[in-house]
Amino acid sequence: GAVVSQHPSRVICKSGTSVKIECRSLDFQATTMFWYRQFPKQSLMLMATSNEGSKATYEQGVEKDKFLINHASLTLSTLTVTSAHPEDSSFYICSASKGDTINSPLHFGNGTRLTVT
Amino acid sequence: DAKTTQPNSMESNEEEPVHLPCNHSTISGTDYIHWYRQLPSQGPEYVIHGLTSNVNNRMASLAIAEDRKSSTLILHRATLRDAAVYYCILRTSGSARQLTFGSGTQLTVLP
Repeated sequence: GAVVSQHPSRVICKSGTSVKIECRSLDFQATTMFWYRQFPKQSLMLMATSNEGSKATYEQGVEKDKFLINHASLTLSTLTVTSAHPEDSSFYICSASKGDTINSPLHFGNGTRLTVT
Repeated sequence: DAKTTQPNSMESNEEEPVHLPCNHSTISGTDYIHWYRQLPSQGPEYVIHGLTSNVNNRMASLAIAEDRKSSTLILHRATLRDAAVYYCILRTSGSARQLTFGSGTQLTVLP
């Protein structure tokens, strides 16, 4: 089946530094990828839609200058958390779809646990 | 995406069938019903999806009501590894294709 790989699975960084998270579709091309954030005991919240070759679309309340998204190829999207603060500590999850319709399932990475100290 | 309503939690005994309900009374004719599950500390996993007819795959079955205002995910024989949060989500034609997650149902499987 379709596989989405996310790296790293866990990262600890100091306040003020930046962290890059990679999301790769391993066996299919994805023109669109989605980035979610999940706080403990809560559901997933969509942060942004990553579009290959164009600018990402951010959800209301998500700072585009803080969460930089780059989708440079059909198999790779990256999320960079810039100038991280402890409140950015969360579980970040990416997803992608093999097809481009609502009849296509989404496949998710295994998430990145970010801890900012 | 249109709203869905699920019970917060359910329990099942191991090796017994589990029926997870979902209400989606505002569903439109072209909305697809998707189910995902999330195990602790992992990303969500696709389970099944359908439009009108009941669907079966190796993981589960999806029973869709005739009026499509509700659906039921059926795990035929629950195992301890099926303990997870199950999300029922409608994907709407014309949306940006993302999934909007509700709170889901926490399934506990008792040995």
